[in-house]
Amino acid sequence: GQQVMQIPQYQHVQEGEDFTTYCNSSTTLSNIQWYKQRPGGHPVFLIQLVKSGEVKKQKRLTFQFGEAKKNSSLHITATQTTDVGTYFCAGSNAGGTSYGKLTFGQGTILTVHP
Amino acid sequence: DAGVTQSPTHLIKTRGQQVTLRCSPKSGHDTVSWYQQALGQGPQFIFQYYEEEERQRGNFPDRFSGHQFPNYSSELNVNALLLGDSALYLCASSLRRRFVERDTEAFFGQGTRLTVV
Repeated sequence: GQQVMQIPQYQHVQEGEDFTTYCNSSTTLSNIQWYKQRPGGHPVFLIQLVKSGEVKKQKRLTFQFGEAKKNSSLHITATQTTDVGTYFCAGSNAGGTSYGKLTFGQGTILTVHP
Repeated sequence: DAGVTQSPTHLIKTRGQQVTLRCSPKSGHDTVSWYQQALGQGPQFIFQYYEEEERQRGNFPDRFSGHQFPNYSSELNVNALLLGDSALYLCASSLRRRFVERDTEAFFGQGTRLTVV
């Protein structure tokens, strides 16, 4: 079955430093989504990427979808303490019978030291 | 506009018992998916309901079953609970007709924290 790997598992940064997490799928994806989960909370949708090579920005966050639609990255510029949490990528393969099923990576836990 | 609501928020059950978790999807959404999130892991897909039928299923045993009602709300049932079933159970709602546009954005509820002792 489809597998989504995410690295690193943990990332500790000083406030103001940049942060990047990477996501790789074993199969070509129809789209990829990114979620943020605060400690004790639930996953909150950040963004969805659909097109090959797509790049989207949300303030200090930059999301990329690889040309082959098998990998993705999330980059945060100048981290803030409010960025703390676990960032998950989730791949979707909208072909066949897999509509709407999300396969999540293991997540990257981001800690920001003030 | 109500988001996804789940009940109860926390639950403690004894091994071997049965449990029912409930989910009301976001207004206007017709598809409900259930996920299990063990501590320190990403959510794992259990199954998805649309038009009151199970449409997809992940790698979970038959002890996990579900139901969707005409108002799109859903239940997750787990029989013969094991200690390993302790996890956060998440409900996610979406709109199926957007899948063809490769838009599978899901809205998650707060989850039900199930502890099996």
